[in-house]
Amino acid sequence: GAGVSQSPRYKVAKRGQDVALRCDPISGHVSLFWYQQALGQGPEFLTYFQNEAQLDKSGLPSDRFFAERPEGSVSTLKIQRTQQEDSAVYLCASSLEVASSSQYFGPGTRLTVL
Amino acid sequence: GNSVTQMEGPVTLSEEAFLTINCTYTATGYPSLFWYVQYPGEGLQLLLKATKADDKGSNKGFEATYRKETTSFHLEKGSVQVSDSAVYFCALSSVTGNQFYFGTGTSLTVIP
Repeated sequence: GAGVSQSPRYKVAKRGQDVALRCDPISGHVSLFWYQQALGQGPEFLTYFQNEAQLDKSGLPSDRFFAERPEGSVSTLKIQRTQQEDSAVYLCASSLEVASSSQYFGPGTRLTVL
Repeated sequence: GNSVTQMEGPVTLSEEAFLTINCTYTATGYPSLFWYVQYPGEGLQLLLKATKADDKGSNKGFEATYRKETTSFHLEKGSVQVSDSAVYFCALSSVTGNQFYFGTGTSLTVIP
């Protein structure tokens, strides 16, 4: 496909469950970002990968959040022991280069924690 | 630290009206600045960008000028259309490009 894809598009989890959210960036894109977007808010930065290296994870809200990109393409955001405050849309974006590049966003995964 | 503040909405305009959505930023160094748009039911799309002071980004009739002296990047369009109805987000990237910061978004509705 030509764009960034994310799966699942919707996820409902019971509090305490672990979830894994997948992002397929545009082929060849070096940079990959994860964001959390609460209802009515702008995206909040979570973490950044340059190829397989996680260069910045300062936005991850707690140690329950973990992201990986082992081969420098597909990325997974994992949330352990989900809490109700984790309910949000999780966005993935990729860009061709680093620093100041335009990002291409996926459609997001809407996570609802009951 | 880095942050973006943009005009709160919602904004409602009649077709062919002039649009301004204000955006100011706080940043270390010289960030790049962006406007993203989210149409109903769709994902975020880049609308325009500017990478250095005094640059003007433009696309689809929208313009924004990177003003370092006022730390602003206001979005303008001379004549809006119904199809411009969307949520608009101002954003900046850190100097290293490792982090992006978004404003809270401004909802625009254009009525015929």
